[in-house]
Amino acid sequence: SQTIHQWPATLVQPVGSPLSLECTVEGTSNPNLYWYRQAAGRGLQLLFYSVGIGQISSEVPQNLSASRPQDRQFILSSKKLLLSDSGFYLCAWSREESGPGGYTFGSGTRLTVV
Amino acid sequence: GDSVTQMEGPVTLSEEAFLTINCTYTATGYPSLFWYVQYPGEGLQLLLKATKADDKGSNKGFEATYRKETTSFHLEKGSVQVSDSAVYFCALRDSNQAGTALIFGKGTTLSVSS
Repeated sequence: SQTIHQWPATLVQPVGSPLSLECTVEGTSNPNLYWYRQAAGRGLQLLFYSVGIGQISSEVPQNLSASRPQDRQFILSSKKLLLSDSGFYLCAWSREESGPGGYTFGSGTRLTVV
Repeated sequence: GDSVTQMEGPVTLSEEAFLTINCTYTATGYPSLFWYVQYPGEGLQLLLKATKADDKGSNKGFEATYRKETTSFHLEKGSVQVSDSAVYFCALRDSNQAGTALIFGKGTTLSVSS
């Protein structure tokens, strides 16, 4: 069966520090991968998605970046965090061969920038 | 562009009350529609989905019908339980476009008391 892992679960970082959040998927190949952010009272915002290794599409310009070094690994990074980067970050995956289906989400990373 | 509008929350109900959470959408293509649920401190889980007009998705006593004429996908449950307390997200995904992402509404918080 397919599983998706995100870590860490919680993170407290000072302003200006770097960030690296990792997401991996098991039990499937060539998934589409997504990073969403959920800020308090603002719903879910798509940050990045990837349809293959090295292929990243950015939905919102900001100080975050994403990379996909391996087929089932998706990394969210920042060189210098801002207070406004605080939120709940969710990774998700999907497959396309059966048409536009839903996503499977990881359990999320709660980031607090102080 | 495509968008999803959900009723503002929070929704507060007593156990065994009837639940309706309204959702309407705007889409240029023929989207698939979804409801996701997020329990406190967790990621999102797919609750139900519908892929074409007049389809009814159902799961765990919840149901929603894809109404193309009113561009709606309202979530209903006949008798809510305390364990249904969560945030509910309506979402759409356009069809026939590889890599297109789920677009979410802002979420509706449901609180059920005994």
